[in-house]
Parts: sequence; C-alpha cells; structure tokens
Amino acid sequence: EAGVAQSPRYKIIEKRQSVAFWCNPISGHATLYWYQQILGQGPKLLIQFQNNGVVDDSQLPKDRFSAERLKGVDSTLKIQPAKLEDSAVYLCASSFYRGPGELFFGEGSRLTVL
Amino acid sequence: AQTVTQSQPEMSVQEAETVTLSCTYDTSESDYYLFWYKQPPSRQMILVIRQEAYKQQNATENRFSVNFQKAAKSFSLKISDSQLGDAAMYFCASQGAQKLVFGQGTRLTINP
Repeated sequence: EAGVAQSPRYKIIEKRQSVAFWCNPISGHATLYWYQQILGQGPKLLIQFQNNGVVDDSQLPKDRFSAERLKGVDSTLKIQPAKLEDSAVYLCASSFYRGPGELFFGEGSRLTVL
Repeated sequence: AQTVTQSQPEMSVQEAETVTLSCTYDTSESDYYLFWYKQPPSRQMILVIRQEAYKQQNATENRFSVNFQKAAKSFSLKISDSQLGDAAMYFCASQGAQKLVFGQGTRLTINP
C-alpha cells in the first residue's frame, strides 16, 4: 500500500514570495491533515479536512495561508506572501477515520524562507 | 483545550538498557486517546503505541509499553532493550473528538 506522498521535499524562497505544497493521502482515507513543524517543536495542526470539507482551520493564518482538497483526495497548501517565521517542515497526514485513530504521515516538505 | 507537555527535551540511554520518556497532558474531554509517535531523522513520523483512556490496562507493543496514570494525567513511554534504531524524536500526543495535539518532543539518543 502506497503511503502519504508529499512534494516538493525541499523549497527555498525569498520572503514575500509564494509557495505551494502538494499532498496525496493514502487511498480511501477520508481525513487529511496539514501540520506545521517548526524546528525543535512538535507539529501544530493547521487544517483538517473530512473528504473535501474543512473540519478545523482555527490555527491556519488565513491572511497568508490557504488550503484546498479537491474532490476529497489530493490537497494543496499555499503560502502567500511568505514570512521568515514560516520556515518549517509542513507535514501532511491522513487517517481512515474522522475520530481518534492512527495518523499516517508523509515525509514532509521543508520550507526555508530567506 | 488540550495540552501536552514533555519535560525532557533530550534523553540518552545505553544500548540494551531501558529508558522512560515522560509526558503529561490536560484535556476537558472524557473520551480521548493518547499516542506516542516516533520521528527518525529525515523520515516520516510513525505510530509507536496508543492508549484508549477508558482502558485501565497499560498498552504494550513488543519492547514498548506505557504507564498510563489517568488521575495524574500522566502517560510515560518505556522502551526496553534499547536498540540503535530507536534513536529518534518521540512525540506524545492526545486526541479527543477530532484534533490531535502534540507535545514538544524528546530527542532520544542510543549510545552503543
């Protein structure tokens, strides 16, 4: 079974530029998560989708971050314009259930903002 | 709101010995799950062990076991017979109805 796929693995941009990250969850997983992991910290939930609907985006900085999940499968996370403090690893995860259960993570997309 | 606290930023252990990683949590929910996730260097995070809060019996997965103290809101992870492949960041996490909240992590080093 294929795991959670993310791309790109690494991205370096200048501040005020834009960037997009893509995630393809495990087939059949209805719930998809985007986490932000700043160096030395635990992952912080940015947004959670159930199929193509948003369940929780309370910690998503909506003035610069946006995310969508087309047709309840793939998802894209966009940052525009980027700030220095956005430097982090962006983790995508998926799960079969909406409620408590194991999350399957991708390898992450490491963003460096200069 | 849920919070998870890991008070040990770093731990080290000799290969083949036992180590315990600490975690405390706070939640207002009556039904919740607790997890330990492992994040090896430059690799994806994977689930190590989970505990349903309504179960009194401590979860065990091979060399990994937990000490779940519900009243104290404590959830520690014990790794027995430590192996070099256990070296990683370990994250404690709590999940209620929906959101999974992580602690800050503990970096575990295995000394050969």
